[in-house]
Amino acid sequence: EADIYQTPRYLVIGTGKKITLECSQTMGHDKMYWYQQDPGMELHLIHYSYGVNSTEKGDLSSESTVSRIRTEHFPLTLESARPSHTSQYLCASSNTATGAYGYTFGSGTRLTVV
Amino acid sequence: DQQVKQNSPSLSVQEGRISILNCDYTNSMFDYFLWYKKYPAEGPTFLISISSIKDKNEDGRFTVFLNKSAKHLSLHIVPSQPGDSAVYFCAAKVSGYSTLTFGKGTMLLVSP
Repeated sequence: EADIYQTPRYLVIGTGKKITLECSQTMGHDKMYWYQQDPGMELHLIHYSYGVNSTEKGDLSSESTVSRIRTEHFPLTLESARPSHTSQYLCASSNTATGAYGYTFGSGTRLTVV
Repeated sequence: DQQVKQNSPSLSVQEGRISILNCDYTNSMFDYFLWYKKYPAEGPTFLISISSIKDKNEDGRFTVFLNKSAKHLSLHIVPSQPGDSAVYFCAAKVSGYSTLTFGKGTMLLVSP
């Protein structure tokens, strides 16, 4: 049973559209992350949050933005989608208060921009 | 500049044999390492981890070995099963930071 949920699972959208990828977790984890992954490539960190009202850019430059208004919710927004944004987007969370370092990942959103 | 490298894109093994997946890293600040398993159309799931103060960690059929001097770790799966067929990602972190750095993954195919 998944404790971190991403919607939609698949999205095909036209160039120039605004999109929001949803991510919610029910575990009360303080930290949340967005990774982008292309086939055969590493996961690239694009955004992360250490808690409510805290957001940081990751290692990979991204035209997306994120917000963290509630602990459980960490949506990612693309104001104007382009074909170069076609990728898989993975949301994850972790609870460092327990000393555990592993992430729990959602099932991902496969985005295709045409 | 890849800090975590998995140089084998794929590995094929027969059921019952040992699978060895390798990972090298360049950042000497990394002190905690994790392996994740990923099936198609799903997110990665945590498999096993090891702290830099250890050189081996075992969990059932899965064992991770760490060679700090060589900046190398490996995941051993014994015996391999067809259900182990997936992409395996090596990841690393620096103490005090929660973000993980991932390798490109190795696709393991275990044939019956």
